[in-house]
Amino acid sequence: DTGVSQDPRHKITKRGQNVTFRCDPISEHNRLYWYRQTLGQGPEFLTYFQNEAQLEKSRLLSDRFSAERPKGSFSTLEIQRTEQGDSAMYLCASSLSAVSYEQYFGPGTRLTVT
Amino acid sequence: AQKITQTQPGMFVQEKEAVTLDCTYDTSDPSYGLFWYKQPSSGEMIFLIYQGSYDQQNATEGRYSLNFQKARKSANLVISASQLGDSAMYFCAMRVEISHGGSQGNLIFGKGTKLSVKP
Repeated sequence: DTGVSQDPRHKITKRGQNVTFRCDPISEHNRLYWYRQTLGQGPEFLTYFQNEAQLEKSRLLSDRFSAERPKGSFSTLEIQRTEQGDSAMYLCASSLSAVSYEQYFGPGTRLTVT
Repeated sequence: AQKITQTQPGMFVQEKEAVTLDCTYDTSDPSYGLFWYKQPSSGEMIFLIYQGSYDQQNATEGRYSLNFQKARKSANLVISASQLGDSAMYFCAMRVEISHGGSQGNLIFGKGTKLSVKP
């Protein structure tokens, strides 16, 4: 399977714990995006990378959130001191370049904070 | 500010009939792209169709077509010959292609329409 993969698919954690999600984009794609989707809503943009550079961050990305793409391949999204409001589906997408119009999405990581 | 509006929370359609899902958008940028994605209950977003703001013809992809009316700022999705497997959430999204000297790649999504296909 050469699509976008995300790990884990599901995560249940207690409030106050730290969690980390991983996204592996399609191998030749240099753009990688993170979105968050809460119940009944469309995905909301969090941040994106061009290769290893983080080019834009949404104001939704509080200082408890950090994302990295150290070698321009896979990316991690860490949430520190989780809150119940962080419960959501976290989606990763990748695209070939800034010009390419299609973003390919992964299956998402569903986070539940108890 | 860029915004996508989908006014139909839920829609029903009989199998084999056509259905139109509404989408209106708001942007002041001249260059943008409009997208439709399908999200089954499994959660994965599946790309369906794309329309560029400068495209003269409406986009079509198999049973999907996009009814692009630029003056009305609408980008409705038409699904012909509905199938049971079309039951899912459908999201309209927009991307500003070039903005203020930079290139923005992120998508702005609407709240979605839940389509249910009846046998």
